Amino acid sequence: ETGVTQTPRHLVMGMTNKKSLKCEQHLGHNAMYWYKQSAKKPLELMFVYNFKEQTENNSVPSRFSPECPNSSHLFLHLHTLQPEDSALYLCASSQDSSVSGRNTEAFFGQGTRLTVV
Amino acid sequence: AQKITQTQPGMFVQEKEAVTLDCTYDTSDPSYGLFWYKQPSSGEMIFLIYQGSYDQQNATEGRYSLNFQKARKSANLVISASQLGDSAMYFCAMREGGILTGGGNKLTFGTGTQLKVEL
Repeated sequence: ETGVTQTPRHLVMGMTNKKSLKCEQHLGHNAMYWYKQSAKKPLELMFVYNFKEQTENNSVPSRFSPECPNSSHLFLHLHTLQPEDSALYLCASSQDSSVSGRNTEAFFGQGTRLTVV
Repeated sequence: AQKITQTQPGMFVQEKEAVTLDCTYDTSDPSYGLFWYKQPSSGEMIFLIYQGSYDQQNATEGRYSLNFQKARKSANLVISASQLGDSAMYFCAMREGGILTGGGNKLTFGTGTQLKVEL
């Protein structure tokens, strides 16, 4: 099993649809993240969860709604999206370094390629 | 101002040659970490190498090394003996803050460099 698994890999949805992206990590990490990667732009951090609590919402529109039921699972619920929301959505996890004092890398999933039509 | 700047949108290198991918960063935080990731066409971001702001020596991981010049705020990635499988997008990223800041490993990414390795 890979460390961070995202489903689905590809998603096409209409602007009135509701869908959810799923992320699962098998690494025992305590922090999970959603990033958005649009063409020609740097990755943008959307949400951060530490020990299942949301610690960061980077001014993300409310049509994106995250959910973290436990430290291994992270969801991104989507509704009434716009065509400009089409992008690669990447989930990541890491062991929060604030306790250990070590910086540890974030492990990423393969992403969900989202197209809004 | 951009926190992470990668000035090379695309680079070519011949197989078995070394290549340097540039990265400069901007932060006023004395404690930070610098990361390099590789993103092949499959989409997954693969961690390559890490350099902490207080590390005295340049980081190395196999064929990857990081040329860390703190005063110049640069953290260039050097790939030695390039292989065809190295063709991918490469991203430089920074985490600001260290102990007690909490909030997880929030990374700020650059725009990336597309590397193509040729025969």
